[in-house]
Amino acid sequence: ETGVTQTPRHLVMGMTNKKSLKCEQHLGHNAMYWYKQSAKKPLELMFVYSLEERVENNSVPSRFSPECPNSSHLFLHLHTLQPEDSALYLCASSQEVTRVGGYTFGSGTRLTVV
Amino acid sequence: KNEVEQSPQNLTAQEGEFITINCSYSVGISALHWLQQHPGGGIVSLFMLSSGKKKHGRLIATINIQEKHSSLHITASHPRDSAVYICAVNSRDNYGQNFVFGPGTRLSVLP
Repeated sequence: ETGVTQTPRHLVMGMTNKKSLKCEQHLGHNAMYWYKQSAKKPLELMFVYSLEERVENNSVPSRFSPECPNSSHLFLHLHTLQPEDSALYLCASSQEVTRVGGYTFGSGTRLTVV
Repeated sequence: KNEVEQSPQNLTAQEGEFITINCSYSVGISALHWLQQHPGGGIVSLFMLSSGKKKHGRLIATINIQEKHSSLHITASHPRDSAVYICAVNSRDNYGQNFVFGPGTRLSVLP
């Protein structure tokens, strides 16, 4: 257990479904991140939150909607996804957004869109 | 061209072999990281480097800033070392805000 917990570990959803991914950290970190890892592609940064405020959105389609209600929790709301959105979604946290290193990753949610 | 490249893409070794994974990058960096991703997705940070060499157990990481190149070495490899090894850099232009990831090297160590 790294200190960053993601649920669920696996998710299968239809293209018309709405689901949410959850990330929780109790490390006292102020920054949280969503990453996407598709097969045979490098990790892609999706969103960055600092102190519950979104500071970066890397051209992610609107069918992905992040939410950070407090510095310990981060959600990724999913709706009307496409099969190509099937991937591993990783959450990470760090003390501050600008800190070099010190990232802690969760184990990820394996998402399959059918 | 990717900003961070790794070689080889896939590597199969016999238990006990010495393994080297290479990473080259084209951007200015403030730090370079080696990450290990086990089957199932969990990622562990192995090293963070800004210069020189670091050693942890059977793992050694080196970086040459002038050549923009880093290597990860595994001595006396073991099947439990089987994983994807990812090189990532903190791009100086982004003030270390996020990583630029390499594509990963998939290592299989056979007993």
